Amino acid sequence: EVQLVESGGGLVQPGGSLRLSCAASGFTVSSNYMSWVRQAPGKGLEWVSVIYSGGSTYYADSVKGRFTISRDNSKNTLYLQMNSLRAEDTAVYYCAREEVVAAKMGWFDPWGQGTLVTVSS
Amino acid sequence: SSELTQDPAVSVALGQTVRITCQGDSLRSYYASWYQQKPGQAPVLVIYGKNNRPSGIPDRFSGSSSGNTASLTITGAQAEDEADYYCNSRDSSGNHHVVFGGGTKLTVL
Repeated sequence: EVQLVESGGGLVQPGGSLRLSCAASGFTVSSNYMSWVRQAPGKGLEWVSVIYSGGSTYYADSVKGRFTISRDNSKNTLYLQMNSLRAEDTAVYYCAREEVVAAKMGWFDPWGQGTLVTVSS
Repeated sequence: SSELTQDPAVSVALGQTVRITCQGDSLRSYYASWYQQKPGQAPVLVIYGKNNRPSGIPDRFSGSSSGNTASLTITGAQAEDEADYYCNSRDSSGNHHVVFGGGTKLTVL
């Protein structure tokens, strides 16, 4: 079964750091595009970051310079290192596999169950 | 960067047909994909590509596209279809970003 399981969320003070993990089963993380998507309480989905199978990484402007996406191939796990956290980073963070075909279509499937990050003093 | 625009809320009578739309310049270059999200749950892919349904998604869900607008149609809406629906696509500005629409809350009356 293809599955993603996030962990690492919690309460952190403004300016603090947190590392999220996303363990994959049923497929190989390093062979796929993998993204983080977040959802603030009561708000819509916001793409955060992607790591390509070749290792290139890209970030939303709102997190660039503060967040780092990475993967551990031996553990088949995706990570999101979040530094200099702000109140506006409070959200449920989902990891998701992105399928991209012919540079004309892409979709996210599967998604993890999400992990809640709360930034507050 | 690109943006995708959705109507915030749409309602449909039980058993009737409803169309949820998504507009944006990136849709001239990329197909949209569509996600259903129920309260407290992760999003679920319902339509991708030109008009493809993942395994397990009922055939009452369909997708279409014209110009800068993508549409998700539910033919014969059921009570269990009440949810938030999001569209997404790749950003067409070449920055390797991904964009999501703001979401549409579907109410089945």
